[in-house]
This record gives sequence, C-alpha cells and structure tokens, in this order.
Amino acid sequence: AQSVSQHNHHVILSEAASLELGCNYSYGGTVNLFWYVQYPGQHLQLLLKYFSGDPLVKGIKGFEAEFIKSKFSFNLRKPSVQWSDTAEYFCAVRREYGNKLVFGAGTILRVKS
Amino acid sequence: GAGVSQSPRYKVAKRGQDVALRCDPISGHVSLFWYQQALGQGPEFLTYFQNEAQLDKSGLPSDRFFAERPEGSVSTLKIQRTQQEDSAVYLCASSLVYQETVNYGYTFGSGTRLTVV
Repeated sequence: AQSVSQHNHHVILSEAASLELGCNYSYGGTVNLFWYVQYPGQHLQLLLKYFSGDPLVKGIKGFEAEFIKSKFSFNLRKPSVQWSDTAEYFCAVRREYGNKLVFGAGTILRVKS
Repeated sequence: GAGVSQSPRYKVAKRGQDVALRCDPISGHVSLFWYQQALGQGPEFLTYFQNEAQLDKSGLPSDRFFAERPEGSVSTLKIQRTQQEDSAVYLCASSLVYQETVNYGYTFGSGTRLTVV
C-alpha cells in the first residue's frame, strides 16, 4: 500500500524566510505527485502537481517542488514566504493511472509578520 | 455551480443516529470522490464514482458506510448507527475526466464536519 510521510507537522517562519516542506512516499511504481494547500476556513486547493518530464515543477503563488525519484521525495519550496502563506499543506501521491489520492498528515505553516 | 457544494456544513449526531451527507459536484464532472479527514490527519480515501458507477469502495471503513450517486451527479454518503470514531470532516471532490490529467484537476468541496456525541 502507498503511504506519504510529511516530516514536520508544524512550521513557524518569519516573513521573507525560505520554506522547504519535506514529503516522502512509499510506492515502487510510477506515481503522480501533488501538493495541496488549505487556507484557514477554505477548501483544499491544488498548488502544483508532477506527472512526468522536468522534475522541478512550478506552481501557483511562487511555490515549486522537486521530484527526486531515487529518494522517493517531492519537497515543496518557496524562496520567500509571506504572511498570506499561513495555511496547512498536504502532499499527496497517486499511482499512475490510478484514481485515489493518498495524502500525508499535513504540515501547518504559520508565517509571522 | 462554480464549485463543489457540500451540505450540511456542520452536523452533530447522537451516537447511534443515522446521517446523510450530500455532495453537489461541478456540473458535468464525471468523477466523484469521498474522503474522510480526522482531526490532525490528512484526508483518507473512502470511495470513488465514475458517473453513477461506484468503481472503488475499498476505503469505506465498515458496512455502516454507504455511498450512492444514482443519476451520476449528486452523491450522498450515509453513515448508519454513528459512533464517536466517525467524527471527522467528510470531503467530496469531483473531476471532469476519468483520470486527472495535466490540464484538469480535482476540485474539493469545503466538507461536512460531523461530530458524534
């Protein structure tokens, strides 16, 4: 069975600090990878996704993620966070041609202004 | 509508009571998913529909959970004889196509927060 591990449950940063959220998955086959964000009081929204090709994926709001197949990792990065990035971030994996997403437990990011 | 609509937004049920949670997907979306999100956890897959066909129900935790989508649009998740461990946010998501492609994605609703007391 697939599983997703997010390394930090809570992260606190000051504005302009750089962000990296870790995500590792366990599955031996080809996967599609996703990062979702949930702002306070809102629904889950897609930040970015990787299907194939360039392992460095750029998403909305200045976020990017790098797929490292040998490490089974898909870490999320942002060079300079803003107060408005305060949210919960979920990494998710889906086996290729599958339908269901398997989510990590989430990382709550708080950005201090 | 513009997004996936779920109702009710909040539901408090007494233990042993039956509940029904509704999901209105985006019009024309073929795929519909239900997820359960316990406090402090990520969403966990419950079941998947392609139009009216329930193709995967492997995530339903017990036979007290039942989902349907009889006309391929609105879906209802029913939980019979609710128990405290059923307390969670129940999320619905829909997608235009059978499988999410590079150009399409899942749209999630805001969820129904179920509290069993």
